[in-house]
Amino acid sequence: EAGVAQSPRYKIIEKRQSVAFWCNPISGHATLYWYQQILGQGPKLLIQFQNNGVVDDSQLPKDRFSAERLKGVDSTLKIQPAKLEDSAVYLCASSLRWWDSRTSSGNTIYFGEGSWLTVV
Amino acid sequence: EDQVTQSPEALRLQEGESSSLNCSYTVSGLRGLFWYRQDPGKGPEFLFTLYSAGEEKEKERLKATLTKKESFLHITAPKPEDSATYLCAVQALGVEDSNSGYALNFGKGTSLLVTP
Repeated sequence: EAGVAQSPRYKIIEKRQSVAFWCNPISGHATLYWYQQILGQGPKLLIQFQNNGVVDDSQLPKDRFSAERLKGVDSTLKIQPAKLEDSAVYLCASSLRWWDSRTSSGNTIYFGEGSWLTVV
Repeated sequence: EDQVTQSPEALRLQEGESSSLNCSYTVSGLRGLFWYRQDPGKGPEFLFTLYSAGEEKEKERLKATLTKKESFLHITAPKPEDSATYLCAVQALGVEDSNSGYALNFGKGTSLLVTP
């Protein structure tokens, strides 16, 4: 089974420039997440999609970050304009669905390899 | 506000020297506690989910346990290939029967180095 695919793996840009990251989740996974992981920290959720609808974007800096998931499959995360503090790894993750009320269990969340962003 | 604290920040073990990693949490209501392993330059890899106090799960040399305030990841007779950062995350209870999710709140991780 193919995992979560992300590209590009590495990107270096100057501050105030823009950048876009792409994610293809595991086939059939309805829930897609973008996390930001700063060096030495744990991942922090930026946005969560259920199919092509946003269910949580409370921690997304909306003045500079945007994300979309057209057709409920692939997703793109954009940063414009970038700041130095945006240097981080951007992790895409997916799961079948968020919660199975029938079994009272969560679905495993699978992460991609990440897109490393350096803003200089 | 939900909080997840992992200790120690870093741990160095000799091969075969068993130890435990700690994850202390405060959450309004726990839906699940997750353990992930992260290798340098890679995304987190799922290990376990624990849902209620007293629950235990095992995988090879790893065993995760859960109480009402903390979780432990026990590593028995570790090998160098167990070297990685181990991340703990909690998911809070939310709206019942909702497909809208609640974010995993991660700790900063414990960096484990196992030397031969």
